[in-house]
Amino acid sequence: EAQVTQNPRYLITVTGKKLTVTCSQNMNHEYMSWYRQDPGLGLRQIYYSMNVEVTDKGDVPEGYKVSRKEKRNFPLILESPSPNQTSLYFCASSTQGSNDGYTFGSGTRLTVV
Amino acid sequence: DAKTTQPPSMDCAEGRAANLPCNHSTISGNEYVYWYRQIHSQGPQYIIHGLKNNETNEMASLIITEDRKSSTLILPHATLRDTAVYYCIVSPGNQFYFGTGTSLTVIP
Repeated sequence: EAQVTQNPRYLITVTGKKLTVTCSQNMNHEYMSWYRQDPGLGLRQIYYSMNVEVTDKGDVPEGYKVSRKEKRNFPLILESPSPNQTSLYFCASSTQGSNDGYTFGSGTRLTVV
Repeated sequence: DAKTTQPPSMDCAEGRAANLPCNHSTISGNEYVYWYRQIHSQGPQYIIHGLKNNETNEMASLIITEDRKSSTLILPHATLRDTAVYYCIVSPGNQFYFGTGTSLTVIP
């Protein structure tokens, strides 16, 4: 089944403890992206990648890092999480140059205490 | 920045057509109109997209005005499972700004 898989689904962590949220897609998509969703603010793009080793900042990149060493994986790294990064995170992928839209993962609910 | 304007909320009776409007007066010639929906806190789900012609699939119909400055998503026979937030997005294909969408409640 074609899908975007995020792990973990839920995570509670403490301020300053580095964490990684993984994202993997099995559709050979070139384009991958991370969003965060907060009440009243909709989905906001954090980072995106147009292909392997090509990443760029979205609208809210502060406090996050990403890497794209392989086409299928696009992990989101929080080097020193803070409570304002408590949010619902979504990974998405699509075919570069296609207008077919995104396929989204099921989300990761992160709480930083 | 948001390039679309949607009403924040709408109600629809179960079994009736749900018509969700969207204004996108600054749409560019290479931008498509996309519709997604998000049920509770699940990942957004693609519904339909179009450039200038009306489109229909198994989920919905998309009506785009001739000047492309607005569109309407039509769910022909709304069910309780269609209760969700619906996002209208204009994009050339890879960059999507979601905004806050329209919260549709289907009423029994």
